Amino acid sequence: DSGVTQTPKHLITATGQRVTLRCSPRSGDLSVYWYQQSLDQGLQFLIQYYNGEERAKGNILERFSAQQFPDLHSELNLSSLELGDSALYFCASSVPRREQFFGPGTRLTVL
Amino acid sequence: TQLLEQSPQFLSIQEGENLTVYCNSSSVFSSLQWYRQEPGEGPVLLVTVVTGGEVKKLKRLTFQFGDARKDSSLHITAAQPGDTGLYLCAGDGSGTYKYIFGTGTRLKVLA
Repeated sequence: DSGVTQTPKHLITATGQRVTLRCSPRSGDLSVYWYQQSLDQGLQFLIQYYNGEERAKGNILERFSAQQFPDLHSELNLSSLELGDSALYFCASSVPRREQFFGPGTRLTVL
Repeated sequence: TQLLEQSPQFLSIQEGENLTVYCNSSSVFSSLQWYRQEPGEGPVLLVTVVTGGEVKKLKRLTFQFGDARKDSSLHITAAQPGDTGLYLCAGDGSGTYKYIFGTGTRLKVLA
């Protein structure tokens, strides 16, 4: 158990809908990262937050947004969903610029 | 742009064989991490290497950090089916807040 929690574990929705994925980091970690992993692909970095502030952006679509709250949990919002958004979404937390600890992921299926 | 290139991309071997996975970059990294990811689960940290030339052993796995801290290798001795998974190297992008993952090596060990 990495200490990072993600909910929900599975999510099935329809095209055009909006969903919110939630992540709670390890105790004491101020940095939270979001990744997308499509079938048999590598990890695509989406966005990083540090203590509530956006720190780095990767290949995140404009339809996607995220935030980190004062209690350090983070949410990833995905809107106007398309079939191609179906993927595993991972959250990770860390001390800045050090090894990351990953949550179990949320499997999103867009029908 | 800092990249971490891994080779080989795919590897299928018989139980008991040895193998080496490489992680290369043209940039210097202050540290590198190796992760293993099993299907449907989040990556799990295996090791961190920090010092150029450093060698770390984890049971049948041997990790080495290049002298110039631009590359790393993972050697598995007497591979077992339980070693099957996606192996990822990763490190902090020097001078940035971005944490970079390698392209991945997908290993399958046949019984």
